[in-house]
Formats: sequence, structure tokens, C-alpha cells
Amino acid sequence: EIVLTQSPTTMAASPGEKITITCSASSSISSNYLHWYQQKPGFSPKLLIYRTSNLASGVPARFSGSGSGTSYSLTIGTMEAEDVATYYCQQGSSIPRTFGGGTKLEIK
Amino acid sequence: QVQLQQSGAELVRPGSSVKISCKASGYAFSSYWMNWVKQRPGQGLEWIGQIYPGDGDTNYNGKFKGKATLTADKSSSTAYMQLSSLTSEDSAVYFCARGLDYYGSFYWGQGTTLTVSS
Repeated sequence: EIVLTQSPTTMAASPGEKITITCSASSSISSNYLHWYQQKPGFSPKLLIYRTSNLASGVPARFSGSGSGTSYSLTIGTMEAEDVATYYCQQGSSIPRTFGGGTKLEIK
Repeated sequence: QVQLQQSGAELVRPGSSVKISCKASGYAFSSYWMNWVKQRPGQGLEWIGQIYPGDGDTNYNGKFKGKATLTADKSSSTAYMQLSSLTSEDSAVYFCARGLDYYGSFYWGQGTTLTVSS
């Protein structure tokens, strides 16, 4: 099983601040199979970034992703109030599919 | 447009079983893996397993073998997950989600809340 470890688990950012969340895999993953989701309380997860760096339809351009091998990251270029949510990475390379533990992002 | 419509909230007794449904529309149901994901209150996302409706092939997270059984009805474009021998640990929101592979999953159901209580 590929374990995904996210860091940090919780963070607070000021409006306009740049945010980076990391996702570390226990073994190497093809970058084609690493994805990021945003989840707000009471809602289903929403796909933000697929295949490491591709923006999903309707996602603001302030979101971006990068990485390879065992190290991946999600960046929010400028924090906005609507970005308050929990973010998850997910690997679709092997069975079982796995998610990171989540990063809860709050606003200062 | 693609939609995944899940069945409503369930309140069931410990030791019983429940079957949750996910009705798909707007795409070729038989041609995409359908996944099930568990989320306990205040916790993260946990993959249960997946089914390929075209041939009924399944993959399970070992943790849920014996707990969850996945089936699909091509005639109604509906995926099902049966959970057995329910305990309070099974109380959670359960999501269906298409894909979770090469393109991730853009399509998720709205979630079904399961409460196991006497």
C-alpha cells in the first residue's frame, strides 16, 4: 500500500499569502496518477488538480501543483477566504487507492 | 451532464446490514470504475473499493473485505455497496466516485450518511 503523508496537518494563512501543502509518498508514483482535492464541510470532495499539475475545469488559476517521484505539492498563489477547506492528495497508481490524511487550511 | 445520485440517509441497528445505492447518469456507466469512499465524522477519506460495471470486476481495500460488497446493475446504471455486521465504527458518510485513477475523480455523489445506533 502506498501511504501518502501530508504536511502540515493544519495551517492558517492571511488573505493574499502564498500557501504550499506537501504530499510525500511511501514509494514512487508516476506523476500521472497524483491528484488533489478540496473539501468543504458538508460537501463532497472537489477535484482541484489532476495528474500532478493539471487544473480541473472551473478551478481558479491561483491553484497549481507540481512534483514527481515521492514528493508532490499544491500551491495557492494568493490565499482567499473561499479557500478555507481541507485539502487531500490521492494516488490512482495502485490498489488500494489511497488519500493523504488531509491539510486543514484556515484564514487568519 | 454526468451525475451520481446516492440514496438517502440510513439509521440502522448494530449487527444489521445496509445497502447504499449510487445511480449514474450522463455517461456510459459500464465503461468506468465506480469507487466507494468512507469518511468518518471529522476524519479523512478512506477508499473502500471499486467495481467495473462492464464485467463486474472488483478490487477491495483489504480492511473492508468481509465488510463491504460491491455490485452494479447495468440495466439501471446503479452501483450498490452492501455493508454487513454493522457497528458504531461504520457510522460515516459514504461517497461514490467515478474513476480515481488516471484523471482522478471529477464526479462524486453527494454522500450518504449512515448512522449505526440502537
